[in-house]
Amino acid sequence: QKEVEQNSGPLSVPEGAIASLNCTYSDRGSQSFFWYRQYSGKSPELIMFIYSNGDKEDGRFTAQLNKASQYVSLLIRDSQPSDSATYLCAVITGYALNFGKGTSLLVTP
Amino acid sequence: SQTIHQWPATLVQPVGSPLSLECTVEGTSNPNLYWYRQAAGRGLQLLFYSVGIGQISSEVPQNLSASRPQDRQFILSSKKLLLSDSGFYLCAWTDRGGETQYFGPGTRLLVL
Repeated sequence: QKEVEQNSGPLSVPEGAIASLNCTYSDRGSQSFFWYRQYSGKSPELIMFIYSNGDKEDGRFTAQLNKASQYVSLLIRDSQPSDSATYLCAVITGYALNFGKGTSLLVTP
Repeated sequence: SQTIHQWPATLVQPVGSPLSLECTVEGTSNPNLYWYRQAAGRGLQLLFYSVGIGQISSEVPQNLSASRPQDRQFILSSKKLLLSDSGFYLCAWTDRGGETQYFGPGTRLLVL
């Protein structure tokens, strides 16, 4: 069973701080990694994907990938209350995405 | 631009009743299509995926089935619902050969 693990949280950060979300995966052959955001009662929406080791930045979001250590992380700079949601890490396994259970983020004003 | 639709948005069904959920994609051709279920307190579970008309792969053996009668239409069905079938059902698509999945708005199913 190929696993994707996330801390369920909740992770609470004050407004304006950096939120750091982490994910580990078991399949060493995985090549593609995704972060989705899911608001309560809504479907997941793609934030960003990363394929190569290192950092990838998109606005306030930075994805970090370390294939040797088998972890991927998401940093959210200048966190806003509107960032409060569950963040899902996903890893390609064959044709489909294998999802972690998500980390709940709460940004407090 | 591409759009994905699911209906109904919510559904309350008695145990033992049939089920039919529909997903359609607009603005693309030959997509890969996926059905996921998200149960309360659990992660997204892949149920079925399809790479073409009439081609269905099942990931989890259960009382659900899927069909793809048209290129951009994906249907999830059951002949007799169980209590454990309650959950949030999500359809997703990718371009053929693509990896990034985009989700529909979902159908929330409650089986009583």
